Formats: sequence, C-alpha cells, structure tokens
Amino acid sequence: NAGVTQTPKFQVLKTGQSMTLQCAQDMNHEYMSWYRQDPGMGLRLIHYSVGAGITDQGEVPNGYNVSRSTTEDFPLRLLSAAPSQTSVYFCASSVDSKVYNSPLHFGNGTRLTVT
Amino acid sequence: AQKITQTQPGMFVQEKEAVTLDCTYDTSDQSYGLFWYKQPSSGEMIFLIYQGSYDEQNATEGRYSLNFQKARKSANLVISASQLGDSAMYFCAMSRNYGGSQGNLIFGKGTKLSVKP
Repeated sequence: NAGVTQTPKFQVLKTGQSMTLQCAQDMNHEYMSWYRQDPGMGLRLIHYSVGAGITDQGEVPNGYNVSRSTTEDFPLRLLSAAPSQTSVYFCASSVDSKVYNSPLHFGNGTRLTVT
Repeated sequence: AQKITQTQPGMFVQEKEAVTLDCTYDTSDQSYGLFWYKQPSSGEMIFLIYQGSYDEQNATEGRYSLNFQKARKSANLVISASQLGDSAMYFCAMSRNYGGSQGNLIFGKGTKLSVKP
C-alpha cells in the first residue's frame, strides 16, 4: 500500500523558473492538501481540495497553483519560483473532510531550494 | 483565531524515562480534534495519536498517551519508557473549520525531543 507519494524528493530551481510538485494517493481519500514547512514555523497550509474538481486557498497560497482533476492526484505548481519558496513541501490526505477526527496521512516531502 | 502553542523548543529525556510534551490550543469551535505527529530526522510525518473534543477518556496508543484537559485547553503528549528511536521533532495539531472543511489542520511549531542513552 503506497499511501501518499510525492515526487521529486529534492529539487533545485533558479529564480523565475516554474515547476510542478506531484502528489498521488491510492487510498481513495476525499481530502488532499499541500503544506510547507519552514524552520521554526511549523507547517502552513498552502492549498487544499475536498474532492475532485474542488480546490481552495489555504493560509499561504501566493505563488502557487493547484488542480484536482482526479481523486488520486493533486499537483502543486510553482508559477515563478522565488527564494522565499525555499522550503520542504508536504502533500497530505485524509478520508473525509467533513469530520474533525480524520488524521492526515503525509507524503515523504519534497525539499525545494530556489537560488 | 485558532492557534496551537508548543512552548518547549527542545527537550532532553533519559532513556527508559517518561516525558511530557506540552501543547495548548485556542479555538472557539465546540467540535475539534487534536493530533500529535512525529517527524524523525529522515523527514516524514508520522501520525501518533488523536483526541476528540468530546472524548471523555484520554487517548492512548501503546507508549503514547494524550493528557487532555479541556478546561485548560491543553493536550499534552506523554511518552512512557523513552527509547532512542523517540528522538525526533513532535508536532501538536488541531482540526479547524477552515473554508467549510474540517480536514484542515493547524500545527504548532514543534518540540525537538532528544533521548539520551
């Protein structure tokens, strides 16, 4: 059982470049989300989706775009990378977004460096 | 505004001893969930334990227990009989009604636990 799969594990970008972080889950989870983790900041929500075709902004959405064309996939696009986007990115999913007791299942993270 | 506070940036514990990691929260929601996650140096986020706001009993999962004091808005993690493999970053998180979804979690800044042999 693969769970939540993120690719790539590491990425280096130059300022202004664009790229897509991939996220796929095989648990038929309704809810998916992207967080970024910065030192001393905990995890902050970038975007989330409560089902295929539905996405919404989190706390720090600027500079990022998402789509959810299928239940399984939730890619995160960096439109024009900036050094401030250097971070570790986590994709997470849970079975049901309408209840408060669903734990998030995380991917292994993508470490992104923007130079 | 909803908030999670972990006041201990770092802690040390002797192997085989118990340790308590503090977490306080602030919310006006009546229904919410509290979670603890472990992040070892390899970087993955591992779900440890969950407590619901209406649960009367404190949650337990093996060596992990959650000391839930609703009136004090605290949800401390207790690890019994610490092991070297418990050395990691620990995050407290709370579910919140964000944009109509209960699935979004808000995280504290974490506590780095180091277990000494």
